[in-house]
Amino acid sequence: AQKVTQAQTEISVVEKEDVTLDCVYETRDTTYYLFWYKQPPSGELVFLIRRNSFDEQNEISGRYSWNFQKSTSSFNFTITASQVVDSAVYFCALSEAKSNFGNEKLTFGTGTRLTIIP
Amino acid sequence: NAGVTQTPKFQVLKTGQSMTLQCAQDMNHEYMSWYRQDPGMGLRLIHYSVGAGITDQGEVPNGYNVSRSTTEDFPLRLLSAAPSQTSVYFCASSLEGATNEKLFFGSGTQLSVL
Repeated sequence: AQKVTQAQTEISVVEKEDVTLDCVYETRDTTYYLFWYKQPPSGELVFLIRRNSFDEQNEISGRYSWNFQKSTSSFNFTITASQVVDSAVYFCALSEAKSNFGNEKLTFGTGTRLTIIP
Repeated sequence: NAGVTQTPKFQVLKTGQSMTLQCAQDMNHEYMSWYRQDPGMGLRLIHYSVGAGITDQGEVPNGYNVSRSTTEDFPLRLLSAAPSQTSVYFCASSLEGATNEKLFFGSGTQLSVL
């Protein structure tokens, strides 16, 4: 069965510091997809990134970057020069590809609550 | 473009009552799903649908029913509410499936069962 572990329950950093959110996953499939979602205080979940298992290139989007390492089954998320608006709960998720309908199920980690202190 | 619309936003029920959480999307998405969010548990999949007339169970389906008569709507029914069903419920949709596309989430329904 697939599993996602976000060991950091809560993190607090001072504004402008860099912060890394850890995500470790377990799967028996060779084809799978990894996601990060953000849940700001308003409550609605927002998609940040999707990565497939065949693409280990790191990705950078502005102040956000993601490090995917299959050797350690990790998909970590780094925020550079953090801002107060980055305060949110961040979820890592795993989806295994299936043959007929694509993949129907997404397994979420328990989330990391990030607080940026002004 | 409204996206994914959930109603109601808040609901309080007594044990044993039934109710339906509504979810509608206007993006012509085939895939729709329901999650519940509990402290320390992340989001857990309740039921999902890959198209009109097709539904399947997720990780925590007991106590919930769903149907998908149209592409747009995916209601979640609680037949006899229990305190263990106190949670925040999210509906989500995507064009083809959880793998192929990002999920679009509704704003959530906070349900309390007394």
